[in-house]
Amino acid sequence: AQSVTQLGSHVSVSEGALVLLRCNYSSSVPPYLFWYVQYPNQGLQLLLKYTSAATLVKGINGFEAEFKKSETSFHLTKPSAHMSDAAEYFCAVSDYGGATNKLIFGTGTLLAVQP
Amino acid sequence: DTAVSQTPKYLVTQMGNDKSIKCEQNLGHDTMYWYKQDSKKFLKIMFSYNNKELIINETVPNRFSPKSPDKAHLNLHINSLELGDSAVYFCASSQGGLSPGYTFGSGTRLTVV
Repeated sequence: AQSVTQLGSHVSVSEGALVLLRCNYSSSVPPYLFWYVQYPNQGLQLLLKYTSAATLVKGINGFEAEFKKSETSFHLTKPSAHMSDAAEYFCAVSDYGGATNKLIFGTGTLLAVQP
Repeated sequence: DTAVSQTPKYLVTQMGNDKSIKCEQNLGHDTMYWYKQDSKKFLKIMFSYNNKELIINETVPNRFSPKSPDKAHLNLHINSLELGDSAVYFCASSQGGLSPGYTFGSGTRLTVV
């Protein structure tokens, strides 16, 4: 079975500071990993995805994530936070191409950006 | 054109009623899903259909019945609504090929009173 764990349900940073949102995964097959962002009262927007190509993945809005198999991690980072980054962030894992293709989400991390 | 569209966006109804949520995708994807997001923002898969065939049913109560008339549509019908059904329901679809992708609709906020 696959799962993801997001460490820290709430993260607060100052504007201009580094953003680091943590995600660890568990998977018995090579995983596909995703980060989604959800702004208040909106749907889910894909930030980036790992599909077994490059381990450092660049996404939209200046975000990037690094796949580390030895640590079973896929942490999301951004060098400098903007006020507009305040949102809920979800890490997700998929067995894409496997039996179910389903996307399994972590519990989310709410990012607050202080002026 | 919206890739994955859901209707209605908001739904307020009384306990015991029956309601439906519709979903359509124009991406040509073979697989469609329903997810439920509860009040704590937790997202859990409910159903998945591949080419009109049910492939995932995640221990959802029988009051929930998905229907897929064709691979571009996946509707969700809910009988005898309960207070605990209040949530945001997201429809999604996924593409085939080498690079996985999941596209989500904007959600339907269901409030049962």
